[in-house]
Amino acid sequence: EIVLTQSPGTLSLSPGERATLSCRASQSVGSNSLSWYQQKPGQAPRLLIYGTSNRATGIPDRFSGGGSGTDFTLTISRLESEDFALYYCQQFGGSPPVTFGGGTKVEIK
Amino acid sequence: QVQLQQWGAGLLKPSETLSLTCGVYGASFSDSYWAWVRQSPGKGLEWIGEIDHGRRPEYNPSFNNRVTISSQPSNKQFSLSLRSVTVADTAIYYCARAAFFHYMDVWGKGTTVTVSS
Repeated sequence: EIVLTQSPGTLSLSPGERATLSCRASQSVGSNSLSWYQQKPGQAPRLLIYGTSNRATGIPDRFSGGGSGTDFTLTISRLESEDFALYYCQQFGGSPPVTFGGGTKVEIK
Repeated sequence: QVQLQQWGAGLLKPSETLSLTCGVYGASFSDSYWAWVRQSPGKGLEWIGEIDHGRRPEYNPSFNNRVTISSQPSNKQFSLSLRSVTVADTAIYYCARAAFFHYMDVWGKGTTVTVSS
């Protein structure tokens, strides 16, 4: 199983600041196979980024993804109030084919 | 606009079978994979399995052969069956559409399933 470790567990920032979230894989992950989701309380996850760096439909350009191999990042360039939420990375490959990271909570400082 | 609507029983006793169905609206059924994901209280996301347009399912081995995912293309529906549930299966269950590289771009609203004696 490919284990995804997200850090930090919680990120305390102010609106307007830059957020950098990390996702580290226990084995190399293909660049097409790494995705990021946002989840707010009481809601289903929402796809933000697929294929490491491609924004999903309707996602603002303050969200960007990068990385390769075992180290991936999600960056929010300037936090807006609606961005305070939980974020998960997800990979495809291995057995089971799909795994998620444990999540990073971005909270208002 | 693509929508997934899911339904099924929300309260089960231990040893019973969880059954959920997800209807697909506004999208072709044959072009995608169709997945189930769950989220236990206060915890992260766990992939249960998925089925493709060829009706070949794939499952997370951690469910120890308790899972069956099936599809009914003529009705644009797919279903989840989880046998012999325990308290540990209490969770919100989501259906989702998965693309070729298995990122999930459309999600149902989720069904809260509670297992309690």
